[in-house]
Amino acid sequence: KNQVEQSPQSLIILEGKNCTLQCNYTVSPFSNLRWYKQDTGRGPVSLTIMTFSENTKSNGRYTATLDADTKQSSLHITASQLSDSASYICVVSASGAGSYQLTFGKGTKLSVIP
Amino acid sequence: DAGITQSPRHKVTETGTPVTLRCHQTENHRYMYWYRQDPGHGLRLIHYSYGVKDTDKGEVSDGYSVSRSKTEDFLLTLESATSSQTSVYFCAISSDRSYEQYFGPGTRLTVT
Repeated sequence: KNQVEQSPQSLIILEGKNCTLQCNYTVSPFSNLRWYKQDTGRGPVSLTIMTFSENTKSNGRYTATLDADTKQSSLHITASQLSDSASYICVVSASGAGSYQLTFGKGTKLSVIP
Repeated sequence: DAGITQSPRHKVTETGTPVTLRCHQTENHRYMYWYRQDPGHGLRLIHYSYGVKDTDKGEVSDGYSVSRSKTEDFLLTLESATSSQTSVYFCAISSDRSYEQYFGPGTRLTVT
């Protein structure tokens, strides 16, 4: 069964500090990995999408890494801002034999405090 | 929200009543999806559509039906709502199945 596990479940950091969120997956055959940001009461918004051949991708202060060998990804947030307070969702897609499936993690809830 | 609207945004209904949620897009994307989001779970796919009148089931399709008579509209119907269907429902769109999905603002449904 395809699974995506995210850690930590929740995190509180001070404004201006950096943080790293983790995503481990057991999805096969791997197609791509996505990170979404979901503000409270809103729909998820895409931050990055990485294929098998990409091991780092940045979007402003957000940098995602992918290690396809160990099936791990991380999302690093630099110089956090209050607006970074949100849930961050890791999503892994599997593709093969005419099918395509997304598996969503449960998310990491990040709170940035002044 | 990438040209996606959902209606209603909030709804409270009683057990056993039918409910229809609407997703409308202005992006002319081929694929449309309905997800539900519950505490302690990741987003779970209910149904998706790959074209007008072309739909398929997701992992949690029991108790739900969908219809797509126009490219821009995707309807989710709960034939007889149950309390277990209390959830936040998200619509999403993508131009291709492997491409990025754009999510709508969500509909919060409470079944009492």
